[in-house]
Amino acid sequence: KNEVEQSPQNLTAQEGEFITINCSYSVGISALHWLQQHPGGGIVSLFMLSSGKKKHGRLIATINIQEKHSSLHITASHPRDSAVYICAVQQGQTGNQFYFGTGTSLTVIP
Amino acid sequence: NAGVTQTPKFQVLKTGQSMTLQCAQDMNHEYMSWYRQDPGMGLRLIHYSVGAGITDQGEVPNGYNVSRSTTEDFPLRLLSAAPSQTSVYFCASRRGSYGYTFGSGTRLTVV
Repeated sequence: KNEVEQSPQNLTAQEGEFITINCSYSVGISALHWLQQHPGGGIVSLFMLSSGKKKHGRLIATINIQEKHSSLHITASHPRDSAVYICAVQQGQTGNQFYFGTGTSLTVIP
Repeated sequence: NAGVTQTPKFQVLKTGQSMTLQCAQDMNHEYMSWYRQDPGMGLRLIHYSVGAGITDQGEVPNGYNVSRSTTEDFPLRLLSAAPSQTSVYFCASRRGSYGYTFGSGTRLTVV
C-alpha cells in the first residue's frame, strides 16, 4: 500500500533552474510535512502545512486538500540543494498514523 | 539547545542480542517518535509518545519496546535483535503544530 506517492523519483537540474517536486496522497490528513535528507543522512524539517502555501527563502510549499496534492518548489536552485526530499502525511493530531513517501533525489549541477 | 541527540551513531549486534538506542531532546517537546529507514521503503513509524508516561505503537512496532519516563528521554529497546532489524533509525520530536526535529540517526547492523 502506498498512501503517499512522490514524483519524480530522481531529478537532475542545472544550477538556477526552477524545480518542482510533487506529492499525492490517498488518505485524509491533519498535516503534511516536507523533509530534506542530506547526503550524510541527516533529516531536516522544511515545512509543516495543512492548507494554502508557505515560503521560506527559496523554498515554497503548497497544498490542495481537495485534490490531495502538495508541491515543493525550489527557485534559483543551487548545488547545495542536492538532497533527498521526502513528503510525509500525518493523520490525526497525535501523529499515530504517519506515512512517508520514498523520496525524490535531487541533484543540482553547477 | 542541543536539539535531538541520538546515541550511538553506529552499532553492530549479533542475532539475539539486546540493546537500547538512546534519544534525548532539550526543547521541551511533548511529542517524540522513532522511525526506521530502509532502502526503497522510506521512513516507517515504530513507536511514538505524546508525553511522559504515554506511548503507543506505530506501523512497525514488533520487536521493539519504548518507554517515556521523562519529557526529555525516549529510548528504543531491541529485545532480541534479528537481521531484519538492520536499518537506520531516527528519533524525532515536535511541539504542537511546529515541524519535526530529527536526530542524526543510528545505523544498526544485525549479523
